[in-house]
Amino acid sequence: DAGVTQSPTHLIKTRGQQVTLRCSPKSGHDTVSWYQQALGQGPQFIFQYYEEEERQRGNFPDRFSGHQFPNYSSELNVNALLLGDSALYLCASSWYRGDSTDTQYFGPGTRLTVL
Amino acid sequence: AQKVTQAQTEISVVEKEDVTLDCVYETRDTTYYLFWYKQPPSGELVFLIRRNSFDEQNEISGRYSWNFQKSTSSFNFTITASQVVDSAVYFCALSEAPSGGSYIPTFGRGTSLIVHP
Repeated sequence: DAGVTQSPTHLIKTRGQQVTLRCSPKSGHDTVSWYQQALGQGPQFIFQYYEEEERQRGNFPDRFSGHQFPNYSSELNVNALLLGDSALYLCASSWYRGDSTDTQYFGPGTRLTVL
Repeated sequence: AQKVTQAQTEISVVEKEDVTLDCVYETRDTTYYLFWYKQPPSGELVFLIRRNSFDEQNEISGRYSWNFQKSTSSFNFTITASQVVDSAVYFCALSEAPSGGSYIPTFGRGTSLIVHP
């Protein structure tokens, strides 16, 4: 049973560029959340997708956008990259059934470096 | 607003020592959930435990144990007889009750545990 997978593992971009990160959830999971983890910090919630819609969003600018596909996989897009966007981007998946939900399981992350 | 404080930035112990990682939280919710995650050098966050605010029973899982005290808003984590493989960053997190989706944990800054052989 594959866990949460993310691609790519590492990425180097320059300021002003755009980047797309990808996530495949754990089998049986339909909800995907994205987190940004700066060096030496705890993860910070970016947004969560369920049924192909953004359900909740953290305190991140509109430069951060996402998408969820019918197979529950997800993409995180960041436009106009800033040096401060350098971080580990973590994807987490879980399932949601109305009044019940499971704990999130995290992927290995994508390390983004902005030069 | 929710807040999680892990005051210990780094702890260094020798193998077989017991170690306790502290976690203090703030929330105005009456229903909430507390978590501990382990992050080894590989980067993946590994789920350890979830506890809801109505269950103050201490929990033990092998060498791991957790002490939840609502009176002091603390959810401390103890590793008994630590091993080198326990070396990692440990995060405490807090989430309100999920509504229309999954939990949204607010994480502390983490405690780096180094276990020396």
